[in-house]
Amino acid sequence: NAGVTQTPKFQVLKTGQSMTLQCAQDMNHNSMYWYRQDPGMGLRLIYYSASEGTTDKGEVPNGYNVSRLNKREFSLRLESAAPSQTSVYFCASSEMAAVDQPQHFGDGTRLSIL
Amino acid sequence: AQSVAQPEDQVNVAEGNPLTVKCTYSVSGNPYLFWYVQYPNRGLQFLLKYITGDNLVKGSYGFEAEFNKSQTSFHLKKPSALVSDSALYFCAVRDPNSGYSTLTFGKGTMLLVSP
Repeated sequence: NAGVTQTPKFQVLKTGQSMTLQCAQDMNHNSMYWYRQDPGMGLRLIYYSASEGTTDKGEVPNGYNVSRLNKREFSLRLESAAPSQTSVYFCASSEMAAVDQPQHFGDGTRLSIL
Repeated sequence: AQSVAQPEDQVNVAEGNPLTVKCTYSVSGNPYLFWYVQYPNRGLQFLLKYITGDNLVKGSYGFEAEFNKSQTSFHLKKPSALVSDSALYFCAVRDPNSGYSTLTFGKGTMLLVSP
């Protein structure tokens, strides 16, 4: 009964380094999302995948790339990390994208970039 | 474009008193509205949603929310607050008339319930 699992939970990077945040869901959901959460700004959508094989930009996609590896997994990559990308990153999934289904969230990855 | 406003950064209430966390929205069509709660170092958890029908919707942990179309509001309420309700609350909206559309979240309201 894991739901949405994110790895790692914490990470510290130096400016310019790259890394990939992993996300997997075991609920057989079609849609998956990546958000970032910054103090006083709520959640902002980075990228989403409405279904396996598709990805689309959200509100703040610059500096990120994503891969929908299969139905279960959706990864977020920072190619050249910048201090402005210090944030808490959340992955979420939902049964379908364009209907009234709530999203289910992982517990986040806390990323600091020095 | 869809948007959500949570006018209060923080709400303070004493345990046992009723609580209200405010949310107003803007969409072009009839909205789908959601409330989520976030406890420290955890992801968001779904509380309740309004899609259609009765304007008063009930959700998890004794929470309810009232949809008011004329005031474009969806305030979260609970008759008697518990200390354990202390958390960060997010309102979110989706416009189903936009084809495929994503959720837009408010900035969150911190609820602090004092013993």
